[in-house]
Amino acid sequence: ETGVTQSPTHLIKTRGQQVTLRCSSQSGHNTVSWYQQALGQGPQFIFQYYREEENGRGNFPPRFSGLQFPNYSSELNVNALELDDSALYLCASSMSLGSTDTQYFGPGTRLTVL
Amino acid sequence: AQKVTQAQTEISVVEKEDVTLDCVYETRDTTYYLFWYKQPPSGELVFLIRRNSFDEQNEISGRYSWNFQKSTSSFNFTITASQVVDSAVYFCALSELNRDDKIIFGKGTRLHILP
Repeated sequence: ETGVTQSPTHLIKTRGQQVTLRCSSQSGHNTVSWYQQALGQGPQFIFQYYREEENGRGNFPPRFSGLQFPNYSSELNVNALELDDSALYLCASSMSLGSTDTQYFGPGTRLTVL
Repeated sequence: AQKVTQAQTEISVVEKEDVTLDCVYETRDTTYYLFWYKQPPSGELVFLIRRNSFDEQNEISGRYSWNFQKSTSSFNFTITASQVVDSAVYFCALSELNRDDKIIFGKGTRLHILP
């Protein structure tokens, strides 16, 4: 059974640029959630996708957007990057909606915005 | 409002000592889930445990044990006979049923196990 994978591992961008981060969910999982973890903080919920539709969103501006594909993999897109977007971005997958299913996390993508 | 508080920012203990990580949560829901995750230096969040709000039984898994007390809104985590490999940041988290499935994390406790 393959776990959650994310790419790239590290990324450096400059302010104003756009970035796309990718996530492959664990086998058998159809729900993907994205979190942003700033240095020294706990992860913050960005949004969740279930069967290609956004299911919920945290307190993040519209320049954070996402997609989920038919194979349940997902992308996180961030436009007009700001310095404060520098963080570890974590993707988590679960078998279905509902808190009854545990979310399993990938290794994350560390984004640095200069 | 939902909130998870981990008052201990950083803890250092000598190997083989027992250590307890505190977690206090706030929620208005009667149905919710509590979690502990471990984050080693590699960055990946490793799932340790999930408990639902209706199950207050304490749980033991090897050297790990969890104490859930609804009366004090606490979900504390104890490592017995700590080992250097236990060094990591530990996060307590809360998820409320029917709240977008989002997990609310505490700020984490950084645990150093000294050889």
